[in-house]
Amino acid sequence: NAGVTQTPKFRVLKTGQSMTLLCAQDMNHEYMYWYRQDPGMGLRLIHYSVGEGTTAKGEVPDGYNVSRLKKQNFLLGLESAAPSQTSVYFCASRNDDSRGTQYFGPGTRLLVL
Amino acid sequence: AQSVTQPDIHITVSEGASLELRCNYSYGATPYLFWYVQSPGQGLQLLLKYFSGDTLVQGIKGFEAEFKRSQSSFNLRKPSVHWSDAAEYFCAVVKQAGTALIFGKGTTLSVSS
Repeated sequence: NAGVTQTPKFRVLKTGQSMTLLCAQDMNHEYMYWYRQDPGMGLRLIHYSVGEGTTAKGEVPDGYNVSRLKKQNFLLGLESAAPSQTSVYFCASRNDDSRGTQYFGPGTRLLVL
Repeated sequence: AQSVTQPDIHITVSEGASLELRCNYSYGATPYLFWYVQSPGQGLQLLLKYFSGDTLVQGIKGFEAEFKRSQSSFNLRKPSVHWSDAAEYFCAVVKQAGTALIFGKGTTLSVSS
């Protein structure tokens, strides 16, 4: 049982390049989330999904797209990376109980030059 | 709108001394409250959570937190800090409708010998 895994762990992009971050969970959770963490800002929600085939915008969705084609995977895409997207990205998942614990992945560190 | 405030950005405590990290929330109903810990370069790990009932909740690693509705607070405590407790601590509340967590900006704990 690996929990929540994220790929890649670290990536450097040039401005304008695109990439996809992959999040996978093996706990059969319905809800999945993408957050970004910036110094002094805590974690802010980018997008989330309440089930396979669904996605919704969070607090800071601009410049990102997501897809949830399979229940266990939640992809975060950057179509045209900008330096402002330099951050650490965390994926999380939980079951469909609103009191349920969110389990976090180890994070992806992204640097956009 | 829900919000979480952690008034202390950085705290230094001597090893063996007691610890209290402050958290204040803004929420119109009974909140679901969480404390997470993040060690350097790691993901977030749940320390404890409060939903209802006993206002003093016990967590992992010897941590506890007390919910005080009258003060809108959920402060984290530990009677004797260990060097391994040095990390960043986040307080969070579940957003209304139980979708995503709203995080405070975090408190960095340093432990001196």
